[in-house]
Amino acid sequence: NAGVTQTPKFRVLKTGQSMTLLCAQDMNHEYMYWYRQDPGMGLRLIHYSVGEGTTAKGEVPDGYNVSRLKKQNFLLGLESAAPSQTSVYFCASSYPPDRETDTQYFGPGTRLTVL
Amino acid sequence: AQKITQTQPGMFVQEKEAVTLDCTYDTSDQSYGLFWYKQPSSGEMIFLIYQGSYDEQNATEGRYSLNFQKARKSANLVISASQLGDSAMYFCAMREGLSGGYNKLIFGAGTRLAVHP
Repeated sequence: NAGVTQTPKFRVLKTGQSMTLLCAQDMNHEYMYWYRQDPGMGLRLIHYSVGEGTTAKGEVPDGYNVSRLKKQNFLLGLESAAPSQTSVYFCASSYPPDRETDTQYFGPGTRLTVL
Repeated sequence: AQKITQTQPGMFVQEKEAVTLDCTYDTSDQSYGLFWYKQPSSGEMIFLIYQGSYDEQNATEGRYSLNFQKARKSANLVISASQLGDSAMYFCAMREGLSGGYNKLIFGAGTRLAVHP
C-alpha cells in the first residue's frame, strides 16, 4: 500500500497563477484533510472532507478551494496564488472519529513557492 | 489561549540515552485524543503514538512511550535509547471530542530534537 501520496512534490508559481494539488489515499479512509505548515509553526487545517462529494472549511480556508469527487482523491486548488500562500502543504486521511483508530496519516508534503 | 503547548523549541540528547519531550494541552472536553508525530528533515509527518483520554494506561510503541498525566493536562513523549535517526522535529497534537463532525487535530509548535553521538 502506498498510503497517502501527493503530487507534485515541489512547485514554483508566479503571483496570480493557479494550480491544483492532488492527494490520493489507498486506505479506504472516509475523511481527508489539507493542512499547511509555515516555518516555526505546527500544521493548520485548510479544508477537510468527511466523504465523497462533501467538503468543509477548516481554520485557514481563504484563497483555497477543494473537491472530493472520488473517495480516494482530495484536490486542493489555488485560483490566484499569492506570496502568503508560500508554504508546505500536507494532505492527510483517517477513519471517522467514531472508529477506534482515527489517527490521521499524512502524505509526504508539497513545497509551494509563490513569487 | 494555546490549546497545545510545547515549551522546548530545541532539545539535545546523547545517543543511547532517554529523552522526554514536553506537551501540555488545554481542553474542556471529556473525550479527546493525544498524538505525537515525528517530522524528519525529509519533511514527511510520521505518526508515532496515540493516547485516548479514557485510557488508563500510558501508551507505548516500541521505544516510544507517552507519559499521560490527565490532572496536569500533560502528555509527554519519552524516547528511550535514543538513536541518531531520532533527530527530527516532534509535534504534539490533540483531537478534541466529536465537535464539528470531524476529528479536529490541533498541533503544537514542535520541538526539534538533536541526537548527538
